[in-house]
Amino acid sequence: AQKITQTQPGMFVQEKEAVTLDCTYDTSDQSYGLFWYKQPSSGEMIFLIYQGSYDEQNATEGRYSLNFQKARKSANLVISASQLGDSAMYFCAMREAGSSNTGKLIFGQGTTLQVKP
Amino acid sequence: NAGVTQTPKFRVLKTGQSMTLLCAQDMNHEYMYWYRQDPGMGLRLIHYSVGEGTTAKGEVPDGYNVSRLKKQNFLLGLESAAPSQTSVYFCASSYLSGTSGGVSYEQYFGPGTRLTVT
Repeated sequence: AQKITQTQPGMFVQEKEAVTLDCTYDTSDQSYGLFWYKQPSSGEMIFLIYQGSYDEQNATEGRYSLNFQKARKSANLVISASQLGDSAMYFCAMREAGSSNTGKLIFGQGTTLQVKP
Repeated sequence: NAGVTQTPKFRVLKTGQSMTLLCAQDMNHEYMYWYRQDPGMGLRLIHYSVGEGTTAKGEVPDGYNVSRLKKQNFLLGLESAAPSQTSVYFCASSYLSGTSGGVSYEQYFGPGTRLTVT
Protein backbone atom coordinates (compact mmCIF):
# COMPACT_ATOMS: atom_id res chain seq x y z
CA ALA A 1 0.00 0.00 0.00
CA GLN A 2 1.11 3.52 -0.68
CA LYS A 3 2.30 5.43 2.33
CA ILE A 4 3.95 8.70 3.25
CA THR A 5 5.88 8.98 6.51
CA GLN A 6 6.99 12.17 8.18
CA THR A 7 8.85 11.22 11.34
CA GLN A 8 9.39 14.71 12.78
CA PRO A 9 6.24 15.95 14.52
CA GLY A 10 7.94 19.25 15.40
CA MET A 11 11.11 21.07 14.43
CA PHE A 12 12.81 24.27 15.53
CA VAL A 13 15.20 26.34 13.45
CA GLN A 14 16.96 29.61 14.05
CA GLU A 15 16.07 32.44 11.71
CA LYS A 16 18.36 32.61 8.66
CA GLU A 17 19.50 29.02 9.06
CA ALA A 18 18.62 26.11 6.78
CA VAL A 19 16.36 23.27 7.85
CA THR A 20 15.52 19.86 6.40
CA LEU A 21 12.10 18.28 6.81
CA ASP A 22 12.09 14.54 6.28
CA CYS A 23 9.71 12.55 4.11
CA THR A 24 9.86 8.91 3.11
CA TYR A 25 7.39 7.17 0.86
CA ASP A 26 6.39 3.70 -0.14
CA THR A 27 4.97 2.78 -3.51
CA SER A 28 5.23 -0.05 -6.00
CA ASP A 29 4.53 2.27 -8.91
CA GLN A 30 7.38 3.45 -11.13
CA SER A 31 5.61 6.66 -12.04
CA TYR A 32 4.63 9.02 -9.26
CA GLY A 33 4.87 12.60 -8.09
CA LEU A 34 5.89 14.06 -4.76
CA PHE A 35 4.60 17.33 -3.37
CA TRP A 36 5.19 19.57 -0.41
CA TYR A 37 2.48 21.83 0.94
CA LYS A 38 2.67 24.49 3.65
CA GLN A 39 -0.17 25.13 6.07
CA PRO A 40 0.26 28.31 8.14
CA SER A 41 -1.75 28.90 11.27
CA SER A 42 -4.43 30.58 9.15
CA GLY A 43 -5.23 27.12 7.78
CA GLU A 44 -4.88 27.37 4.01
CA MET A 45 -2.87 24.81 2.06
CA ILE A 46 -0.11 26.34 -0.05
CA PHE A 47 1.69 24.35 -2.74
CA LEU A 48 5.47 24.68 -2.45
CA ILE A 49 7.30 22.27 -4.71
CA TYR A 50 6.92 19.19 -6.89
CA GLN A 51 9.22 16.33 -7.93
CA GLY A 52 8.37 13.75 -10.56
CA SER A 53 9.76 10.25 -10.19
CA TYR A 54 11.49 10.44 -13.55
CA ASP A 55 12.92 13.91 -13.03
CA GLU A 56 16.68 13.58 -12.89
CA GLN A 57 17.37 16.85 -11.15
CA ASN A 58 16.19 17.85 -7.70
CA ALA A 59 13.38 20.39 -7.84
CA THR A 60 14.00 23.91 -6.61
CA GLU A 61 11.64 26.84 -6.06
CA GLY A 62 13.26 29.91 -4.57
CA ARG A 63 14.35 29.04 -1.03
CA TYR A 64 12.78 25.59 -1.26
CA SER A 65 14.53 22.55 -2.67
CA LEU A 66 13.60 18.92 -2.67
CA ASN A 67 16.33 16.41 -1.89
CA PHE A 68 15.06 13.45 -3.90
CA GLN A 69 16.76 10.11 -3.25
CA LYS A 70 14.82 7.60 -5.28
CA ALA A 71 16.64 4.47 -4.14
CA ARG A 72 16.04 5.40 -0.51
CA LYS A 73 12.48 6.51 -1.28
CA SER A 74 12.98 9.83 0.40
CA ALA A 75 11.89 13.33 -0.64
CA ASN A 76 13.13 15.74 1.99
CA LEU A 77 12.27 19.43 1.85
CA VAL A 78 15.12 21.84 2.43
CA ILE A 79 14.31 25.43 3.36
CA SER A 80 17.28 27.74 3.13
CA ALA A 81 17.65 31.01 5.03
CA SER A 82 14.60 30.42 7.24
CA GLN A 83 12.27 33.34 7.88
CA LEU A 84 9.75 33.89 10.67
CA GLY A 85 6.99 33.50 8.09
CA ASP A 86 8.13 29.93 7.44
CA SER A 87 6.63 28.88 10.78
CA ALA A 88 3.88 26.50 9.74
CA MET A 89 2.86 22.88 9.33
CA TYR A 90 4.45 21.19 6.32
CA PHE A 91 2.94 18.22 4.54
CA CYS A 92 4.58 15.80 2.17
CA ALA A 93 2.23 14.12 -0.30
CA MET A 94 2.45 11.57 -3.09
CA ARG A 95 0.43 11.10 -6.24
CA GLU A 96 0.62 7.89 -8.17
CA ALA A 97 0.40 8.44 -11.90
CA GLY A 98 -0.20 4.88 -12.94
CA SER A 99 -3.18 3.33 -14.60
CA SER A 100 -5.68 4.68 -12.09
CA ASN A 101 -4.87 8.25 -13.11
CA THR A 102 -7.14 9.81 -10.56
CA GLY A 103 -4.75 12.41 -9.24
CA LYS A 104 -5.39 11.33 -5.66
CA LEU A 105 -2.88 12.52 -3.10
CA ILE A 106 -1.72 10.61 -0.05
CA PHE A 107 -0.52 12.87 2.72
CA GLY A 108 1.93 12.39 5.54
CA GLN A 109 1.05 13.42 9.07
CA GLY A 110 2.89 16.70 8.80
CA THR A 111 5.78 18.44 10.53
CA THR A 112 5.33 21.61 12.52
CA LEU A 113 8.20 24.01 11.96
CA GLN A 114 8.89 26.90 14.30
CA VAL A 115 11.40 29.54 13.31
CA LYS A 116 13.06 31.29 16.24
CA PRO A 117 14.17 34.92 15.96
CA ASN B 1 -10.17 34.71 -10.25
CA ALA B 2 -11.38 33.36 -6.90
CA GLY B 3 -9.71 29.94 -7.21
CA VAL B 4 -11.37 27.39 -4.93
CA THR B 5 -14.03 28.63 -2.55
CA GLN B 6 -15.88 26.75 0.18
CA THR B 7 -19.08 27.55 2.02
CA PRO B 8 -19.68 27.72 4.88
CA LYS B 9 -16.44 28.51 6.69
CA PHE B 10 -17.71 27.33 10.06
CA ARG B 11 -20.66 25.23 11.17
CA VAL B 12 -21.88 23.61 14.35
CA LEU B 13 -24.28 20.69 14.01
CA LYS B 14 -26.11 18.53 16.48
CA THR B 15 -25.78 14.77 16.19
CA GLY B 16 -28.19 13.47 13.57
CA GLN B 17 -28.52 16.70 11.63
CA SER B 18 -27.64 16.89 7.97
CA MET B 19 -25.79 19.50 5.96
CA THR B 20 -24.12 20.12 2.63
CA LEU B 21 -20.74 21.70 2.08
CA LEU B 22 -20.28 23.50 -1.21
CA CYS B 23 -17.04 23.73 -3.13
CA ALA B 24 -16.71 25.87 -6.23
CA GLN B 25 -13.76 26.43 -8.54
CA ASP B 26 -13.39 28.86 -11.41
CA MET B 27 -10.26 27.36 -13.00
CA ASN B 28 -12.08 24.89 -15.29
CA HIS B 29 -10.45 21.99 -13.48
CA GLU B 30 -11.57 18.47 -14.27
CA TYR B 31 -10.58 16.87 -10.99
CA MET B 32 -12.05 17.75 -7.61
CA TYR B 33 -11.49 16.27 -4.16
CA TRP B 34 -12.83 16.39 -0.63
CA TYR B 35 -10.42 15.81 2.28
CA ARG B 36 -10.79 15.90 6.00
CA GLN B 37 -8.04 16.99 8.36
CA ASP B 38 -7.88 15.72 11.90
CA PRO B 39 -5.16 16.55 14.43
CA GLY B 40 -2.08 14.41 13.97
CA MET B 41 -3.47 12.57 10.95
CA GLY B 42 -2.74 14.77 7.97
CA LEU B 43 -5.35 15.00 5.24
CA ARG B 44 -7.42 11.99 4.24
CA LEU B 45 -9.41 11.70 1.04
CA ILE B 46 -13.16 11.32 1.45
CA HIS B 47 -14.47 11.35 -2.13
CA TYR B 48 -13.26 12.61 -5.44
CA SER B 49 -14.43 13.31 -8.96
CA VAL B 50 -12.59 13.03 -12.26
CA GLY B 51 -15.20 14.92 -14.21
CA GLU B 52 -18.73 16.28 -14.29
CA GLY B 53 -21.25 13.63 -13.34
CA THR B 54 -18.68 11.21 -11.91
CA THR B 55 -17.72 10.54 -8.31
CA ALA B 56 -15.72 7.89 -6.49
CA LYS B 57 -14.88 6.88 -2.95
CA GLY B 58 -11.64 7.79 -1.29
CA GLU B 59 -10.03 6.50 1.86
CA VAL B 60 -12.72 7.50 4.39
CA PRO B 61 -16.08 7.74 2.56
CA ASP B 62 -18.44 6.35 5.20
CA GLY B 63 -21.10 8.80 6.35
CA TYR B 64 -20.60 11.14 3.39
CA ASN B 65 -22.10 11.53 -0.05
CA VAL B 66 -21.04 13.74 -2.93
CA SER B 67 -22.37 15.08 -6.18
CA ARG B 68 -20.80 16.80 -9.18
CA LEU B 69 -23.69 17.99 -11.30
CA LYS B 70 -21.71 20.91 -12.70
CA LYS B 71 -18.02 20.90 -13.55
CA GLN B 72 -17.27 23.84 -11.29
CA ASN B 73 -19.10 22.56 -8.20
CA PHE B 74 -18.49 19.62 -5.89
CA LEU B 75 -20.90 19.09 -3.01
CA LEU B 76 -20.20 17.09 0.13
CA GLY B 77 -23.19 15.91 2.14
CA LEU B 78 -23.45 14.60 5.66
CA GLU B 79 -26.70 12.68 5.97
CA SER B 80 -26.70 12.17 9.75
CA ALA B 81 -23.83 13.95 11.44
CA ALA B 82 -21.86 12.19 14.17
CA PRO B 83 -19.28 13.61 16.62
CA SER B 84 -16.61 11.59 14.78
CA GLN B 85 -17.18 13.86 11.78
CA THR B 86 -15.93 16.87 13.70
CA SER B 87 -13.05 17.97 11.51
CA VAL B 88 -11.74 20.54 9.09
CA TYR B 89 -12.88 19.82 5.55
CA PHE B 90 -10.87 20.87 2.54
CA CYS B 91 -11.90 20.87 -1.07
CA ALA B 92 -9.26 20.80 -3.79
CA SER B 93 -9.17 20.80 -7.56
CA SER B 94 -6.62 20.14 -10.27
CA TYR B 95 -6.48 20.39 -14.01
CA LEU B 96 -5.41 16.85 -14.82
CA SER B 97 -3.71 13.98 -13.10
CA GLY B 98 -0.80 14.03 -15.49
CA THR B 99 2.30 11.87 -15.45
CA SER B 100 5.25 12.04 -13.16
CA GLY B 101 7.50 14.16 -15.32
CA GLY B 102 7.43 17.83 -16.11
CA VAL B 103 4.17 19.47 -15.10
CA SER B 104 3.06 19.12 -11.52
CA TYR B 105 -0.71 19.55 -11.94
CA GLU B 106 -0.78 20.42 -8.28
CA GLN B 107 -4.02 20.51 -6.37
CA TYR B 108 -5.39 23.88 -5.43
CA PHE B 109 -7.09 23.96 -2.05
CA GLY B 110 -9.99 25.93 -0.71
CA PRO B 111 -9.76 27.71 2.65
CA GLY B 112 -11.44 24.90 4.56
CA THR B 113 -14.65 24.44 6.56
CA ARG B 114 -14.42 23.88 10.28
CA LEU B 115 -17.26 21.58 11.33
CA THR B 116 -18.15 20.71 14.90
CA VAL B 117 -20.73 18.05 15.68
CA THR B 118 -22.03 18.07 19.25
